[in-house]
Amino acid sequence: GNSVTQMEGPVTLSEEAFLTINCTYTATGYPSLFWYVQYPGEGLQLLLKATKADDKGSNKGFEATYRKETTSFHLEKGSVQVSDSAVYFCALSSYSASKIIFGSGTRLSIRP
Amino acid sequence: EAGVTQSPTHLIKTRGQQATLRCSPISGHTSVYWYQQALGLGLQFLLWYDEGEERNRGNFPPRFSGRQFPNYSSELNVNALELEDSALYLCASSSRDRGAEQYFGPGTRLTVT
Repeated sequence: GNSVTQMEGPVTLSEEAFLTINCTYTATGYPSLFWYVQYPGEGLQLLLKATKADDKGSNKGFEATYRKETTSFHLEKGSVQVSDSAVYFCALSSYSASKIIFGSGTRLSIRP
Repeated sequence: EAGVTQSPTHLIKTRGQQATLRCSPISGHTSVYWYQQALGLGLQFLLWYDEGEERNRGNFPPRFSGRQFPNYSSELNVNALELEDSALYLCASSSRDRGAEQYFGPGTRLTVT
């Protein structure tokens, strides 16, 4: 079945550091891929998405590229800020499925 | 455009009671999803409603139930509350397009004492 695996946290970085959060998936067909972010005390917000191979999703300085050959959708940001501290969820939605499959989430903490 | 709304924000109940949580989707969205997020854990899929019908449910006991109204809003009911039901309950909505992203509400924090 479909599944998403993302790196376990917590991840702690200093401000302005480079961020990578790894995400790999298993799915039949050609799923859409998403990154969601959950700030403390809030619900999830869609951060970015990609709907086909080699697509790059980007938003707020974050980027992720849909790599079908490695079944990956790693999240990157060149220079993180304290305000990026949150939990990040990788997710997929398959055309043949009826719901989004979420990874377990990665907690990110940024030190000033 | 208004986002997904949920009520109440917080709910405190005692063991054995019933809880009712409400969700209003984004205008034009017909699908509503419910998730449970217990402390320190990821999202657990609970229920999916579309066009008034329950389309799928996660691995939860029957005391978790709900419905979707003609205006596409939804209600989640949890009967015979147990301490481990304490969690953040998130509602999401999406269009009927397969593969569409889900938009989440702020959640209802349920505490069972």
